[in-house]
Order: sequence, then structure tokens, then C-alpha cells
Amino acid sequence: DSGVTQTPKHLITATGQRVTLRCSPRSGDLSVYWYQQSLDQGLQFLIHYYNGEERAKGNILERFSAQQFPDLHSELNLSSLELGDSALYFCASGGDGNSGANVLTFGAGSRLTVL
Amino acid sequence: AQKVTQAQTEISVVEKEDVTLDCVYETRDTTYYLFWYKQPPSGELVFLIRRNSFDEQNEISGRYSWNFQKSTSSFNFTITASQVVDSAVYFCALSEYNFNKFYFGSGTKLNVKP
Repeated sequence: DSGVTQTPKHLITATGQRVTLRCSPRSGDLSVYWYQQSLDQGLQFLIHYYNGEERAKGNILERFSAQQFPDLHSELNLSSLELGDSALYFCASGGDGNSGANVLTFGAGSRLTVL
Repeated sequence: AQKVTQAQTEISVVEKEDVTLDCVYETRDTTYYLFWYKQPPSGELVFLIRRNSFDEQNEISGRYSWNFQKSTSSFNFTITASQVVDSAVYFCALSEYNFNKFYFGSGTKLNVKP
């Protein structure tokens, strides 16, 4: 167990719907990163939050949004879902980058299937 | 712009063979960090190693070794005497100095056959 908790593990929904993926970082970690891994694809960076503030954005679609709450858990909202959004969504947490010791610890992922 | 290239999409070896996974990176930063992660068939990503740009010493951990060469912008990973349990997708990654973004390569799928 990595200490990063992602729910749900699996999700099947229809095109046009909206879903929310949840991530609880490892205890003590302030950063949460979201990645998308499509079939046979690498890891595409979506967004990074540090202690509640957005730190960096990747190629995140406008239909997607995220936030990090005061208790440091994060949610990734995916709306107007399309077939191409079917993927494994990973959350990773990291410590205080200022200490130079940051390593991403990944959750088990949320597998989204859009039918 | 930062970029990580893993040119080997898939490698197949027979157990006990040595195998090297290549990783080439691009960055304009003078301070950066390099990583390797393993993704076994179960799907979860497992951290293997982190290197900062100022430390070019090679590292060995059991059957695993890493060769960091700034002159060629490479951070290659060698598995000695491969085992079936090494079968996985291996990702090389690069982080900016402030850890705001981590850039991953496309991964190399390693198949180790008995």
C-alpha cells in the first residue's frame, strides 16, 4: 500500500456524463498530481496542486477541472465525457519540494470506461 | 521545453540475460531531477530511483544499476540477470527544479521469458 488512496477503482459511465475522481495523498504530503494514462500511452500530466493552490497545468482539457481541499484531498472532475476519455487516471502525492526530496508516490489509479 | 524519450517501445529477453533500458532527456534547467518508475501488470507505479542533476555517480542496487551521463543527456537503466518478475513497463521521468511538473517518457515494456 503506497499510502495514496484513490476512489473509485473502476467506473463505467456513458458519453455526456460527469464523474468525480477522488484522491487522498500520503500522510504529510502537500502536493497532489493528476495523470492520465490511455491504452498503450504514457503518462500525460494534467495538473498539480500544492497545499490547496494550483502549481502547474499540463494538457488538461477544459472539460476537466480539479481542486485540492483544506484537508489536502483532491478531486478531478471530468464532464461531458467522450469515448476518448476512457483511461486510467492516476493521482500521485509528493512532499515539500523545497526540501529537494520530492518523489511522486502513486495511487492504484481509477479506471474510467466511457461507453 | 522539457522532454523525455524512451525509444525502445518493447524489449523481450530470456531470463538471466542482461538488459538496458534507454532514456534520453531534454531540459534547459541546470537543476533538475531524473527518476525511474516500474509499472508491473498490476498497474500501480512503483518508484525505483531519483537522481539530481549535480550527481553523476552511477548507482547500483542489487541487480539494478543506473548510468547517468549529462554529456549525452541520458539516464539508462540496466537489469542484470533478468527475472520473470522484472516483466513490466518502465518509465523514465524528469522533474523541473521546483517539482511543479514531472515529465514522463512513453515507457518501455520489458518481457522476460522463462
